[in-house]
Amino acid sequence: EAQVTQNPRYLITVTGKKLTVTCSQNMNHEYMSWYRQDPGLGLRQIYYSMNVEVTDKGDVPEGYKVSRKEKRNFPLILESPSPNQTSLYFCASTDRGGWEQYFGPGTRLTVT
Amino acid sequence: KNEVEQSPQNLTAQEGEFITINCSYSVGISALHWLQQHPGGGIVSLFMLSSGKKKHGRLIATINIQEKHSSLHITASHPRDSAVYICVLSPPLTGNQFYFGTGTSLTVIP
Repeated sequence: EAQVTQNPRYLITVTGKKLTVTCSQNMNHEYMSWYRQDPGLGLRQIYYSMNVEVTDKGDVPEGYKVSRKEKRNFPLILESPSPNQTSLYFCASTDRGGWEQYFGPGTRLTVT
Repeated sequence: KNEVEQSPQNLTAQEGEFITINCSYSVGISALHWLQQHPGGGIVSLFMLSSGKKKHGRLIATINIQEKHSSLHITASHPRDSAVYICVLSPPLTGNQFYFGTGTSLTVIP
């Protein structure tokens, strides 16, 4: 079954404690991306990756890092989380032409 | 920046009504997606369009490339259609930035 998995699904943490949200896809898609969703603002792109070792900033990259060492995985790293990063995060993977788009189930992050 | 505009932002309908959600955009695209997000949060891709019209069950999506406009129609609406519907633009193959509408929140009342 084609899918994008994210872990953890829910996370409560404290300011400054480094965390990683994992994302994995089984469709051999080249394009992967991370979004955050906040009330009234819709989905905003954080980072995206066109292929292994190729990443670029989206609209709201500040405070986040990503890596793409393998095609299937695209982890999102918060080196020093702050309360304004409390949000719902989605990972997505897309085929080269942008035809198929799959979203992970979301990770609800709370930073206190 | 407002590369993609959706309307209406909120919509309440009675069960059985015909519903239309609109998406207008201002950039070149290779495709346009309609996404559905239920209150639980999960996002599902409903349609991908590059031209014309697609139908899946009670859902119909159309796109007019010349007018840069797409519509999502729901026939015989049902309470389970209550969700947020999001229009997403796929960039041309040489580009790499997806553009998201802010979504239309639909509530269908029994």
